[in-house]
This record gives sequence, C-alpha cells and structure tokens, in this order.
Amino acid sequence: KAGVTQTPRYLIKTRGQQVTLSCSPISGHRSVSWYQQTPGQGLQFLFEYFSETQRNKGNFPGRFSGRQFSNSRSEMNVSTLELGDSALYLCASSLPDTFPNTEAFFGQGTRLTVV
Amino acid sequence: KQEVTQIPAALSVPEGENLVLNCSFTDSAIYNLQWFRQDPGKGLTSLLLIQSSQREQTSGRLNASLDKSSGRSTLYIAASQPGDSATYLCAVRRSDYKLSFGAGTTVTVRA
Repeated sequence: KAGVTQTPRYLIKTRGQQVTLSCSPISGHRSVSWYQQTPGQGLQFLFEYFSETQRNKGNFPGRFSGRQFSNSRSEMNVSTLELGDSALYLCASSLPDTFPNTEAFFGQGTRLTVV
Repeated sequence: KQEVTQIPAALSVPEGENLVLNCSFTDSAIYNLQWFRQDPGKGLTSLLLIQSSQREQTSGRLNASLDKSSGRSTLYIAASQPGDSATYLCAVRRSDYKLSFGAGTTVTVRA
C-alpha cells in the first residue's frame, strides 16, 4: 500500500515568487492536513481538508492557501514568498471515519528554501 | 490553548540501555495521542497511537503509556540500538481535530 506522497521533495524559490506543493494521500484517506516545520517554531498546523472542504485553519497569513480535489489529492499554495517561509512542509492523511481514533500518516515533506 | 512539552530535549545513551521519553500536555480533553519518529530531513513515521480510553499501547520494543488526568504520556524503548537514533515527537489530537505537537526529544544511541 503506497504511503503519502509529496512533490516536489525540494524547492528553491526567490522572495516574492509563489509556490505550489502537492500531496497525494493514502488510497481511501479523505482527510489531508498540512503542517509547517521550522527549527524555531517546531510543527505548526496550517489547514485541513476533508471532502474538498477546508475544515480547519491554523494561524497563518492569507498568503497560505490550499485546496483538495475530488480524488482527495491536495495542494497548498504560498504567494509572495518571504525568507521566513523557508521550512519543511509536511502533509498528513487520515481516515476521518475513524474519528476520534484517527491515526495520522505523514509524507516525506517538501523542503522549501526561499532566497 | 493546548501546549505539549517534551523533556528532555536531547538524550544520549549507550546501546542496550532502555529509553524513557516524556510528553506532557496542558488540556486533558484529548481524543488520542500519537508518537512519531523523525529522521533528519525526513517526514514523520507513526510509532504508536493511544486512544483516550486506553492506558497503554505496545508494539515490539516500544511501549507507550497515557495518563489523561495528569496530562502525561511516556514512551519506553527497550534495549536501544544505534538505529533508534532519531527525534521522537508526541502529538495530541484536540477536540477541534488538530494535532498539537511537542518540540521533540532527540535521541542518540552510542554503539
């Protein structure tokens, strides 16, 4: 069974540009969550999508957005990149039908470097 | 606001020694707690999931306990090996469905 797949694995972007990251969840998983990991702040929740609807949102500026497609694949977009956006972006998928005993499975992450 | 703390931040032990990793959380109204392992530059690997109604969960050399009333969980790794060297993170599933993570404990097992 394939795990959570994130593409690309590495990205280098210039300040002011925008970037799109992709996440394909485990087959059958309908919930996808995104997290940002930095050395200073640790893992912080960005947003969660279920059945193409954003169900939860963290405390990030509007430059961070996402969406989910009918096949449960999800993308997140960051516009007007800042140096502080450099981080490892992690995607997690889960079976929400098992809530509250939901287990999260993470991808390998996308390392974004903003120069 | 749910805060999750992991102490110590780093731990170094000789091979064969048992590891004890601690996780504490401020709000006992959690749905479950999950322990993860993270290797440098990689994603998170799920180790154990403890439901809020459970007291402990075991998988191989790993055993995790949960005491909701005191806001604590402990991960025990028996007979540590150099391959166990990694950062271990705990996360609690809140009532708003979000996961709140601790900062992690970085473990080094010396051969």
